[in-house]
Amino acid sequence: KAGVTQTPRYLIKTRGQQVTLSCSPISGHRSVSWYQQTPGQGLQFLFEYFSETQRNKGNFPGRFSGRQFSNSRSEMNVSTLELGDSALYLCASSLEAVRYGYTFGSGTRLTVV
Amino acid sequence: SQQGEEDPQALSIQEGENATMNCSYKTSINNLQWYRQNSGRGLVHLILIRSNEREKHSGRLRVTLDTSKKSSSLLITASRAADTASYFCASLYFGNEKLTFGTGTRLTIIP
Repeated sequence: KAGVTQTPRYLIKTRGQQVTLSCSPISGHRSVSWYQQTPGQGLQFLFEYFSETQRNKGNFPGRFSGRQFSNSRSEMNVSTLELGDSALYLCASSLEAVRYGYTFGSGTRLTVV
Repeated sequence: SQQGEEDPQALSIQEGENATMNCSYKTSINNLQWYRQNSGRGLVHLILIRSNEREKHSGRLRVTLDTSKKSSSLLITASRAADTASYFCASLYFGNEKLTFGTGTRLTIIP
């Protein structure tokens, strides 16, 4: 079966712009989580969506938002980009809950210049 | 922060040797999971150990959990060049539905 698909793979944006990243989970997986990975902070949890509802949220500013559609596909949006938002953004899906483990996508590498 | 620590931060060994990496976490966990990440790509789930388990095996992987010390270790036996990657432990704390990842161990296998 197809894995978790993230698009685009690479993105370069200018400070102040906004960006939307997309994630298609494994078919049948209803939980989608987003993580930010940077060399300095490591892997930081952004949020989790389950059945179109945000179920958990990390400690990120309101510029970071997300949503999930009825087919479980998810998008995350970052508005008013800052240089510090440059990171690898990883999407992960699981059947019902993270207690069973995640399947990760390959990530979107965002560079803010 | 509940982020756990892993040690060593980096490890280089000869192919065929065993590699051991350690992970510590903060409070009571539901389970602990290990993931591998190849050079800037997505993470791959390796193994999950529940809080009531002490040891688990999967192929060349062996994971132990010591809840009294709040620590876990991952042993990779008979290492191969393809095992070169970063390894992360991730804790699922009770009352939480998100994984908290450790800082990672960068493993390099020398052919």
